[in-house]
Amino acid sequence: DARVTQTPRHKVTEMGQEVTMRCQPILGHNTVFWYRQTMMQGLELLAYFRNRAPLDDSGMPKDRFSAEMPDATLATLKIQPSEPRDSAVYFCASGLDMSFGYTFGSGTRLTVV
Amino acid sequence: AQSVTQPDIHITVSEGASLELRCNYSYGATPYLFWYVQSPGQGLQLLLKYFSGDTLVQGIKGFEAEFKRSQSSFNLRKPSVHWSDAAEYFCAVASYGGSQGNLIFGKGTKLSVKP
Repeated sequence: DARVTQTPRHKVTEMGQEVTMRCQPILGHNTVFWYRQTMMQGLELLAYFRNRAPLDDSGMPKDRFSAEMPDATLATLKIQPSEPRDSAVYFCASGLDMSFGYTFGSGTRLTVV
Repeated sequence: AQSVTQPDIHITVSEGASLELRCNYSYGATPYLFWYVQSPGQGLQLLLKYFSGDTLVQGIKGFEAEFKRSQSSFNLRKPSVHWSDAAEYFCAVASYGGSQGNLIFGKGTKLSVKP
């Protein structure tokens, strides 16, 4: 089965450090999402791209978060500087058309101490 | 604004019993609706989806869901629950067309299965 691959799976970092999370969408998928999951807020949309162009990043704190797709095989989510409140699981998902649904990666569990 | 409500935070059922997980959505037009399942430490797996046609949709792992426009509901059902079904279940709605298509998720329902 085709998979969405996220790296790293786990990341522990100190407050103030830069964190970069990577996602390899399924080959041929033209839509990529970044979601954040916390106990308090549940699943929140941070950003999404279609054909590598950002369509919506209104859910993302602009002062510290940035999302890019340098090419069709890589999406990145960067936090600089990181804060303890950023501790969460970050999921990437990709798809071709929403009528088919979207495939999620296994997530990056981020802990900021 | 679109929203999804899953009224039950946690449900416990006995193995072999039937299951229904509730989902209500708020959306003006015909929605695209999804159910996902998340096992501990894992990503979300698509169970089933609805976007048109027959209001009763079949999914993987023996799950089905029924779309009821009059009730703005999309409840998930399974006739006989297995211990391996213990997980968290998320209902989601997506907007249609144009530059939209992002998923709005409910808060989830955690399912526990008693032996």
